[in-house]
Amino acid sequence: DAMVIQNPRYQVTQFGKPVTLSCSQTLNHNVMYWYQQKSSQAPKLLFHYYDKDFNNEADTPDNFQSRRPNTSFCFLDIRSPGLGDAAMYLCATSLQGGNTEAFFGQGTRLTVV
Amino acid sequence: AQSVTQPDIHITVSEGASLELRCNYSYGATPYLFWYVQSPGQGLQLLLKYFSGDTLVQGIKGFEAEFKRSQSSFNLRKPSVHWSDAAEYFCAVGATDMRFGAGTRLTVKP
Repeated sequence: DAMVIQNPRYQVTQFGKPVTLSCSQTLNHNVMYWYQQKSSQAPKLLFHYYDKDFNNEADTPDNFQSRRPNTSFCFLDIRSPGLGDAAMYLCATSLQGGNTEAFFGQGTRLTVV
Repeated sequence: AQSVTQPDIHITVSEGASLELRCNYSYGATPYLFWYVQSPGQGLQLLLKYFSGDTLVQGIKGFEAEFKRSQSSFNLRKPSVHWSDAAEYFCAVGATDMRFGAGTRLTVKP
């Protein structure tokens, strides 16, 4: 019944070791978002795809990359995780963008050791 | 880009009391406005949304919100809070993408 699925729920990675977080959707939505959420803070938009069009936020570090190989899947790659990258990463989808409801996954809690 | 301000970081109310969470937005055109709730360690769940029409919108779990264009506000209300309402509440404004306020943490006293 799940519509937006993030794997894994918890990820521990070593400082500087590349890590990939995944998100899949069964809603066939056009838009997929990646947000970073640190403790007691708002979700911060990192980037989003509208279909295959990639939209990067100006303040998203180059260390963060994303891939969307097809409609259903989207990946967040952190090339060299630092301690400051420890956070909850939320994937969301929407049919058409900010003028439609976003559906969120459960999130992936990333720990950097 | 659009932006959202939630002035209250943390609110405590007694169970059964009424609740109002404030939200102010900044956007040059007619906004698409949302309220989401987040329980610890979970994703966000939509409570309600405003696109157009009636400025008082009803949502799930007994929540409602009122859009006031003159005040650029979209405050969330509930007449009687339940202990299970304790959570983090986020207001969001949508345009080409969706942006969130800093959130308000709600604590419910017995």
